[in-house]
Amino acid sequence: ILNVEQSPQSLHVQEGDSTNFTCSFPSSNFYALHWYRWETAKSPEALFVMTLNGDEKKKGRISATLNTKEGYSYLYIKGSQPEDSATYLCAWYSGGGADGLTFGKGTHLIIQP
Amino acid sequence: DGGITQSPKYLFRKEGQNVTLSCEQNLNHDAMYWYRQDPGQGLRLIYYSQIVNDFQKGDIAEGYSVSREKKESFPLTVTSAQKNPTAFYLCASRLLNGMNTEAFFGQGTRLTVV
Repeated sequence: ILNVEQSPQSLHVQEGDSTNFTCSFPSSNFYALHWYRWETAKSPEALFVMTLNGDEKKKGRISATLNTKEGYSYLYIKGSQPEDSATYLCAWYSGGGADGLTFGKGTHLIIQP
Repeated sequence: DGGITQSPKYLFRKEGQNVTLSCEQNLNHDAMYWYRQDPGQGLRLIYYSQIVNDFQKGDIAEGYSVSREKKESFPLTVTSAQKNPTAFYLCASRLLNGMNTEAFFGQGTRLTVV
């Protein structure tokens, strides 16, 4: 089993501050990197699916970057709001017949008013 | 509304009993997946299916079985052979038209062995 690592495991951020966290994944056999937001009592929802080295994606105040050569992705949240509180999961897709996504353990983000 | 539905939300099972978790999707997705989450762990893949009547073991398939008789349905049976079945189970589906399609998840089933 190849590991996908996320750091930090949990994070407390003041409302209005910006923050970022990391996903590390194997750089070999890379097909795609997914980011999901998982709010309490809800289903995980996709934020971004990234496939190209150097890719940057943005959705409102949330953005992500991808470095496939060194095997990492950053997720940034600008001006954190209470509704950003959630667990953020990244998942690595290697393709090659193994169709499942390999997930990290997630970063649990708590925005403090 | 299109979506993916898991039932039941909570399930209690006596030791030694088999139990089946339901997962249905009306998104016309090709692939379906079962993941398990334990405290402090990431989602781990149990089984997946890319097409009707075909499925593949994931990383932790021992003690589980699945079927894919219909495109819409991918039930998971937790058998008595699963040594530690108490966990949160998530079902997901995905369209297989390329490498960049996101997964859609159900709301999960929390299974407790009593």
